[in-house]
Amino acid sequence: TQLLEQSPQFLSIQEGENLTVYCNSSSVFSSLQWYRQEPGEGPVLLVTVVTGGEVKKLKRLTFQFGDARKDSSLHITAAQPGDTGLYLCAGRFGTAGGGNKLTFGTGTQLKVEL
Amino acid sequence: GAVVSQHPSWVICKSGTSVKIECRSLDFQATTMFWYRQFPKQSLMLMATSNEGSKATYEQGVEKDKFLINHASLTLSTLTVTSAHPEDSSFYICSAREGAYNEKLFFGSGTQLSVL
Repeated sequence: TQLLEQSPQFLSIQEGENLTVYCNSSSVFSSLQWYRQEPGEGPVLLVTVVTGGEVKKLKRLTFQFGDARKDSSLHITAAQPGDTGLYLCAGRFGTAGGGNKLTFGTGTQLKVEL
Repeated sequence: GAVVSQHPSWVICKSGTSVKIECRSLDFQATTMFWYRQFPKQSLMLMATSNEGSKATYEQGVEKDKFLINHASLTLSTLTVTSAHPEDSSFYICSAREGAYNEKLFFGSGTQLSVL
């Protein structure tokens, strides 16, 4: 069973601060996704990364896929209260093409205060 | 964008009763749907993979006789929690994939189950 460890598990910061969330595995991902989930809702897809070393930006969010495709990071610049939520990485292992199930990371609960 | 509707949003039931949760893909045909369980502030744990017209594949440790899954059409999968007990109280979420090789999943809004 593949495990995706996220760190930190909890993060409470002030508005305007920067933060980075990490997602690590001992296995190689065929692809990796980041989701954000609010209480009582399903996860919402933020990004999908496929190529080792890939960097994608979504407004104040920067996603990086490790060169070896075993790790990923999510960096948020100038965090806002609206960024509060549970951030989940999710990876597929094995051959690409979507035939594999998605394994979710352990989650990072982010709280951004005024 | 594609929408997955999950119903009900929350349900409270007595211990020993059965509860059915529905997951519908509203504007696409979902050949595969997934059912997850999530405890407060924790990650999603995959329970089973549901393929239209065939038996569901359950993850290790998930009782197939307790969590009955039916995927009778390309737009509907149901999860029935049979003889529910308080320890079954959790947030259940479904997701759907259009086509066999589409990596994008669309998630339902979840069902909060509370068993008294």
